[in-house]
Amino acid sequence: QVQLVESGGGMVQPGRSLRLSCAASGFTFSSFGMHWVRQAPGKGLEWVALIWYDGSNKYYADSVKGRFTISRDNSNNTLYLQMNSLRAEDTAVYYCARRNEGFDYWGQGTLVTVSS
Amino acid sequence: DIQMTQSPSSLSASLGDRVTITCRASQTISTYLNWYQQKPGKAPKLLIYDASSLQSGVPSRFSGSGSGTDFTLTITSLQPEDFATYYCQQSYITPPAFGQGTNLEIK
Repeated sequence: QVQLVESGGGMVQPGRSLRLSCAASGFTFSSFGMHWVRQAPGKGLEWVALIWYDGSNKYYADSVKGRFTISRDNSNNTLYLQMNSLRAEDTAVYYCARRNEGFDYWGQGTLVTVSS
Repeated sequence: DIQMTQSPSSLSASLGDRVTITCRASQTISTYLNWYQQKPGKAPKLLIYDASSLQSGVPSRFSGSGSGTDFTLTITSLQPEDFATYYCQQSYITPPAFGQGTNLEIK
């Protein structure tokens, strides 16, 4: 069965960096685009970034452009989100999700807290 | 960018009721519209894709309709497990924006 498992979240000071990972299993990872979506405490869903199945194209929300980088390792079935220059407003649960007809599978999320 | 607006933001209903949630896009998106259900502390779950296609495993009491800019999610005969927050999302262009959510509560 399809599984997506995020890791790498935690508490970090403003201005610092963090890298999130999303381990995929149960499907041919290299055939699907992947998204990162975040949800601030008590708020709605915010799309963060998209990477195509082969990594050839990447797209970002304006709120993270220039600070976050999405990447993938198809040989290890893993998606990444490198987050630099973190701000308090980046505090959220970060989900990875598979790109298909809609976002058809989601991970359980990993919490990132940016605070001094 | 396309903006998605849901109404209402919150809704109270009783078991067995039929409810409808509306989603409006700021420009035409054909039928590139998806609906998700999210329960507290859990990841969202895809219910409907392409405006009216039921995701595998989703009960048939959920249905979607619409095209262009106006869409609806209908839940017939509300069950206890249906009380949750619902989001629409357009997949017509990147960025794939979400609506602000509709919180469905028990009356």
